[in-house]
Amino acid sequence: AQSVAQPEDQVNVAEGNPLTVKCTYSVSGNPYLFWYVQYPNRGLQFLLKYITGDNLVKGSYGFEAEFNKSQTSFHLKKPSALVSDSALYFCAVRDSGYSTLTFGKGTMLLVSP
Amino acid sequence: EAGVTQFPSHSVIEKGQTVTLRCDPISGHDNLYWYRRVMGKEIKFLLHFVKESKQDESGMPNNRFLAERTGGTYSTLKVQPAELEDSGVYFCASSLGLNTGELFFGEGSRLTVL
Repeated sequence: AQSVAQPEDQVNVAEGNPLTVKCTYSVSGNPYLFWYVQYPNRGLQFLLKYITGDNLVKGSYGFEAEFNKSQTSFHLKKPSALVSDSALYFCAVRDSGYSTLTFGKGTMLLVSP
Repeated sequence: EAGVTQFPSHSVIEKGQTVTLRCDPISGHDNLYWYRRVMGKEIKFLLHFVKESKQDESGMPNNRFLAERTGGTYSTLKVQPAELEDSGVYFCASSLGLNTGELFFGEGSRLTVL
C-alpha cells in the first residue's frame, strides 16, 4: 500500500521569507512524487514531479522540492514567498508499478503581506 | 486546448435522491480518474478508466456509486440513492499516459446531501 503524510494542516509565512511545506511518503517500490496546488474555487494544478534523477526538482512559480530517499520525504520549498502563493497544497505519490495517485490531506499555506 | 471540465459545479440534494456528475476529459486522454475529497481530508481515489474500460475501481465506496464512460470520451458518476456521507468535492482528472505523466484536474463538483 502507498500513503502520504502532510503533518501540517497550515503553514504561515511572511511575504519574502522562505517557505517549506512538508511531505513524507510510503511506497513498496520506487516512488513517483508530485505536488499539486489548489487555489480557491479552482481545480488542482500540477506544480512539479520527481520520477528519477536529480533529487532537487524545480517546478512552476519558483517552487522546488527535494527528494530524500533515506527520510522518505519530498518537501516543497520556495526561497521567497509571495502573497499570491496562498493556497492549498497537496503532495501525492504513486508506486512506479501502479497507476493510481495517493494524495495527502493537504496543507494550507497562508502568506501574509 | 480545453481542460478537464466538470458539471455541475455544485449540487445540493436531499438524502435518498439521485445525482449524476459529468466529466469531459482533455481530448485524446485515454486515462480518466475520479477522486473525492471530504472536507479537510485526503483526496481519495475512486476509479480509473482506460478508454471505456474500468482499469481499477477499488476506491468506489459501495454499490450506490456507478461510473460509466461510454465510447471512451466523457464519463458520468451517478450516486443513487445519495446518503449524507456522500457529501464532498468530486474531482475528475485525465492523463495521456500512465508512466510518468501528471494528471490534469477539473475544478470539481461539490455535492451537498442534506
